[in-house]
Parts: sequence; structure tokens; C-alpha cells
Amino acid sequence: GQQLNQSPQSMFIQEGEDVSMNCTSSSIFNTWLWYKQDPGEGPVLLIALYKAGELTSNGRLTAQFGITRKDSFLNISASIPSDVGIYFCAGLKMNRDDKIIFGKGTRLHILP
Amino acid sequence: GAVVSQHPSRVICKSGTSVKIECRSLDFQATTMFWYRQFPKKSLMLMATSNEGSKATYEQGVEKDKFLINHASLTLSTLTVTSAHPEDSSFYICSARAHEGGGNQPQHFGDGTRLSIL
Repeated sequence: GQQLNQSPQSMFIQEGEDVSMNCTSSSIFNTWLWYKQDPGEGPVLLIALYKAGELTSNGRLTAQFGITRKDSFLNISASIPSDVGIYFCAGLKMNRDDKIIFGKGTRLHILP
Repeated sequence: GAVVSQHPSRVICKSGTSVKIECRSLDFQATTMFWYRQFPKKSLMLMATSNEGSKATYEQGVEKDKFLINHASLTLSTLTVTSAHPEDSSFYICSARAHEGGGNQPQHFGDGTRLSIL
């Protein structure tokens, strides 16, 4: 079935460092979404991307919709402790399939 | 922003009990709601798509009679885990997509329900 390859699976960084994670797929998507999930809670939408090449920011977060429509990245600048959590990418297909496909998540750890 | 409320947040009950979980879109109408199950340290696994006024569409391997879904209005979908057993213990999360804007609207998630069957 459809799969998104999200990497890295986990990251250990120092507070203040920048973070980058990405998702790739063999299929084309017409919407890319990035979510963050804190322990014991549901995912929260961070950024939604609707056009190839689109670059969108939300505070210290920046995400881009790849030109090929098969990839997206999320950057976090100047990380802070509350950035800890799991980040999921998700994509919606071109053929109006209502189901979104999730990546397996990137677990972000911030070292003291 | 779009708010989805899920209730209850935590359920602990005995084996054989049926448990109902509610998912409400508070500030928008949702023609479509989704139910996911999430195992520890894993991604979300779609169980079923709930369409207002029609039968839910279940993913392969999900038992329809075990996980009953009702989407009676544009703001409410319910998932009932019937005769729950310990293997049904999990984190269940719903999401909803706004009615307006067509199929590209992002899904907004509830805070999840942690179900523990003793």
C-alpha cells in the first residue's frame, strides 16, 4: 500500500540547534501536512501545504512542498524544550482519495 | 482554529464491557470523520472512515461488528468497542475534516482516548 518514508526516526539535539526532517514517497500527493504529537494526546496540525514548491512558516517552523510533489521537509529553528515530541508528516493523494497517509514519525529529543 | 473534542480521555473497564467513544467537531461541520488506533511508539493506523448519514468504510482487517461507528450528525461520530477484551486496549484517536473546501482540507484531531481493558 501507500507509504511515506519519514526520516530520521529519532533525533537527539541540543537546545538551540536547528532541526530538519523530511518525508518522501513514490507517489504524488496534492497536499502535505505536518503534525506534532505530545505523549497521551492527539496530533496537532502544524503546517498544511497545498501547492508544489510552496514554502510556509509557522513561527520557528518552516515546511516546504517539494516540486516533484513526492516529498516535503519540516525545519525547526532554534529548538526549545517544548519542541520535544513526535512529528508526523502526512499526505493526501491526487485522486481525491479521502484517506491521508501518515509517515512513521520523527521522535525529537532535546538534551539538557 | 478547528477544534475536535474527544470523550472520554481515559477508560478503564472489565473485559466484556462495551465502550463508546465520542468525537465532536466543535466549531465546524464535518462530513467525514476518521477513527485511528495507535500503538505505543507507532504511527496512527486508520480503522475506518465515518461519513455523515451513511455507513462507515472500514479498513482491511478491522472488524465491523467489533468496532461500531455511527455518524449521526455533521458534528458527532461515535465509536463503540463492543465486548472489549485486553487486546483491544489501545489509544484511539478521531479526526474530522471540515465540510467546506473539498477533499484537501486537513484533518484535525481529537486528544485521543486511552482504553484499558482489565
